Amino acid sequence: KQEVTQIPAALSVPEGENLVLNCSFTDSAIYNLQWFRQDPGKGLTSLLLIQSSQREQTSGRLNASLDKSSGRSTLYIAASQPGDSATYLCAVYNNNDMRFGAGTRLTVKP
Amino acid sequence: NAGVMQNPRHLVRRRGQEARLRCSPMKGHSHVYWYRQLPEEGLKFMVYLQKENIIDESGMPKERFSAEFPKEGPSILRIQQVVRGDSAAYFCASSPLDGTVYGYTFGSGTRLTVV
Repeated sequence: KQEVTQIPAALSVPEGENLVLNCSFTDSAIYNLQWFRQDPGKGLTSLLLIQSSQREQTSGRLNASLDKSSGRSTLYIAASQPGDSATYLCAVYNNNDMRFGAGTRLTVKP
Repeated sequence: NAGVMQNPRHLVRRRGQEARLRCSPMKGHSHVYWYRQLPEEGLKFMVYLQKENIIDESGMPKERFSAEFPKEGPSILRIQQVVRGDSAAYFCASSPLDGTVYGYTFGSGTRLTVV
């Protein structure tokens, strides 16, 4: 059974810092991994989708890496801004099932 | 492209009533997934549907919960005789194929409160 863990559970940083969010999963037989952002009381916004054959994806200040063999992914946020404050969710897809981690709650202080 | 549309955004039901949650997938998407998010918890898979077929309902409680995705119209998640523990955010996602290539696109959710 796939288990997805995100560390840390919460993170608070001053504006301008670069930061890394971590995601690990127990079953490496995944098709893809997706990072989402969720604002309080809102839905999920897809940030990056990495296929199992890929090592990383980039979008603006975001870079996500995938090491499938070790069951790990990181989301790197450069030059963080207060608008980046949200919960970041990692999800892995295999066997008709997308499983989510519990998320990292990020606060970027002005 | 309007994205995945869920309605209502908020739903209040008294214990014992029925709740019906609707999800219209993105145009061109024929795969629909329902997830539940309890307060301060992660998203839990409930059910995966294609048009007129339930593909995987392993995450759905055996009683009171049902889901459908008819040939015409939105997908419906139905909760009969709601209890306080059903209070949660229910999210729907869709994809053009299964999730292997394009991942999922999520709606904004329906927040169910049982009083």
